[in-house]
Amino acid sequence: EAQVTQNPRYLITVTGKKLTVTCSQNMNHEYMSWYRQDPGLGLRQIYYSMNVEVTDKGDVPEGYKVSRKEKRNFPLILESPSPNQTSLYFCASSKNRDSGSPLHFGNGTRLTVT
Amino acid sequence: GENVEQHPSTLSVQEGDSAVIKCTYSDSASNYFPWYKQELGKGPQLIIDIRSNVGEKKDQRIAVTLNKTAKHFSLHITETQPEDSAVYFCAGNTGTASKLTFGTGTRLQVTL
Repeated sequence: EAQVTQNPRYLITVTGKKLTVTCSQNMNHEYMSWYRQDPGLGLRQIYYSMNVEVTDKGDVPEGYKVSRKEKRNFPLILESPSPNQTSLYFCASSKNRDSGSPLHFGNGTRLTVT
Repeated sequence: GENVEQHPSTLSVQEGDSAVIKCTYSDSASNYFPWYKQELGKGPQLIIDIRSNVGEKKDQRIAVTLNKTAKHFSLHITETQPEDSAVYFCAGNTGTASKLTFGTGTRLQVTL
């Protein structure tokens, strides 16, 4: 089944403790992206990757890192999480980033930083 | 860059009635406008999209209209059903097509 898989689904951590949220897609998609969803703010892009070893900042990249060593994986790294990073995170992928290439989203990771 | 505004933030309709969600965009170079539906506990899923070279597109009970001059587009759901209850997001691409900017979402509730 074609899908984007994120892990974990739920994560509670403390300020400053490094964490990684994994994302994997099995559709051989070139483009992958991370979003955060906050009430009243919709979906905001954190980072995106056009292909292996090619990553770029989105609208809200501060406090996050990503890597794209393999086509299928695009982990999101929080080196020193802070409470303002408490949010619902989504990974997404698409065949490429041409207009009309639909985004496929994972089911989300709900992160709480205390 | 692109700015997409979406209204209303919440919408409650009775089963069988129609629902309309409206979005405006700022970048006149935008040419692709998808709509996503997010059910509880899941990620958003594409339900319909429209390109700037057409004014309307339909798929069964859902339709999207685009007014390029006014820079707004709308989602229309007819004969609403309880399973239509979800959060809906509109989006627009930037001129480079490498990025989608999302609206803030509309929570639609269909009541019996």
